Amino acid sequence: NAGVTQTPKFRILKIGQSMTLQCTQDMNHNYMYWYRQDPGMGLKLIYYSVGAGITDKGEVPNGYNVSRSTTEDFPLRLELAAPSQTSVYFCASSYYRLAASRGNEQFFGPGTRLTVL
Amino acid sequence: TQLLEQSPQFLSIQEGENLTVYCNSSSVFSSLQWYRQEPGEGPVLLVTVVTGGEVKKLKRLTFQFGDARKDSSLHITAAQPGDTGLYLCAGANYGGSQGNLIFGKGTKLSVKP
Repeated sequence: NAGVTQTPKFRILKIGQSMTLQCTQDMNHNYMYWYRQDPGMGLKLIYYSVGAGITDKGEVPNGYNVSRSTTEDFPLRLELAAPSQTSVYFCASSYYRLAASRGNEQFFGPGTRLTVL
Repeated sequence: TQLLEQSPQFLSIQEGENLTVYCNSSSVFSSLQWYRQEPGEGPVLLVTVVTGGEVKKLKRLTFQFGDARKDSSLHITAAQPGDTGLYLCAGANYGGSQGNLIFGKGTKLSVKP
């Protein structure tokens, strides 16, 4: 199993440009998540999905959109890139949402480092 | 808003020393997890604790969940350079966060040979 894969690994965007960050998991997990990680700020949840066709906002959704047409894929779309979106983006997936004995154990991809200039 | 405060924020020690990292909240969590993240990679799960007072050991790492399920600690015995990384605690709750994880800001550990 490859686990969670993300592409691209690095990207530089100009202000106002758009892009899609790709995320794929091969573990047949229903739950998928997008986080951003800023220096010294931990991980903030952008969007999450509880299954194909179902998505919901997290803590910091403004400026982003997601879709979930298949169990495997959960792309994150930036429509009008802004310098405030410079960050490292992580996709994660989990089998359980909140299991009594397992909590919410998430598996993370390697991240996409995005710079907006 | 549920928050998890981690301390210390940075820790630099010599190989062989012991250390403890703390994760505290004013809120009760149903479960708490610890992740380690190495530079350029995503976080990797180390352990999940779900019962108040629970202690779990992973080789030289000992994890404890507070009796009231509001805090947790990670103790490393005889630290090695391979322990270097960012340690993140993350809590989940049936309540407001709907099972989603709330992350602390992390403790950056550097173990020098």
